Amino acid sequence: GENVEQHPSTLSVQEGDSAVIKCTYSDSASNYFPWYKQELGKGPQLIIDIRSNVGEKKDQRIAVTLNKTAKHFSLHITETQPEDSAVYFCAASRGNQGGKLIFGQGTELSVKP
Amino acid sequence: GAVVSQHPSRVICKSGTSVKIECRSLDFQATTMFWYRQFPKQSLMLMATSNEGSKATYEQGVEKDKFLINHASLTLSTLTVTSAHPEDSSFYICSARDLETGELFFGEGSRLTVL
Repeated sequence: GENVEQHPSTLSVQEGDSAVIKCTYSDSASNYFPWYKQELGKGPQLIIDIRSNVGEKKDQRIAVTLNKTAKHFSLHITETQPEDSAVYFCAASRGNQGGKLIFGQGTELSVKP
Repeated sequence: GAVVSQHPSRVICKSGTSVKIECRSLDFQATTMFWYRQFPKQSLMLMATSNEGSKATYEQGVEKDKFLINHASLTLSTLTVTSAHPEDSSFYICSARDLETGELFFGEGSRLTVL
């Protein structure tokens, strides 16, 4: 089955700096790669996603890149703010599995003012 | 926007009792819902896929007789933790797939504490 590895497990940056979180996946049939932000005691919230027919997607300060050949994808947050502090999870799924997501281990991002 | 509601958000029970957690899609229909379990500082682990009108599909290692899933309507799936024990204490999260758009939405989670 699918296995998703996420690094780093913790990341501390200064406000205004960029943050990059990387994930690799094992199942070459995976074609959907969302990123979630989870605040303490809450459910995960989708922040950006990318499908396998696209190499990069950007939404304001957040961008995701996908390298299908290497089977890895990354989340980039620019101009980080203290409110970006949270746990971020990457995930992968096959389109024919109706939304069954396999999550990475999570990255605890801390943005220091 | 689409909302998935979980109830209760927090529950404390005694060891040996059963606890039911509800997952409702409030403004869309969902033939498929997913149940995840998350231990402190860990990732979300998929427990089972809940399909409306049919039996749930459990992930390897998840006891189907302990974690009973019922998806009786297009807007409601329930997870019952039977004969709960302290090791079942966890954060249980559901997600629901919008039947029309295919989008996936997560609930806010239910924290179970078994004494």
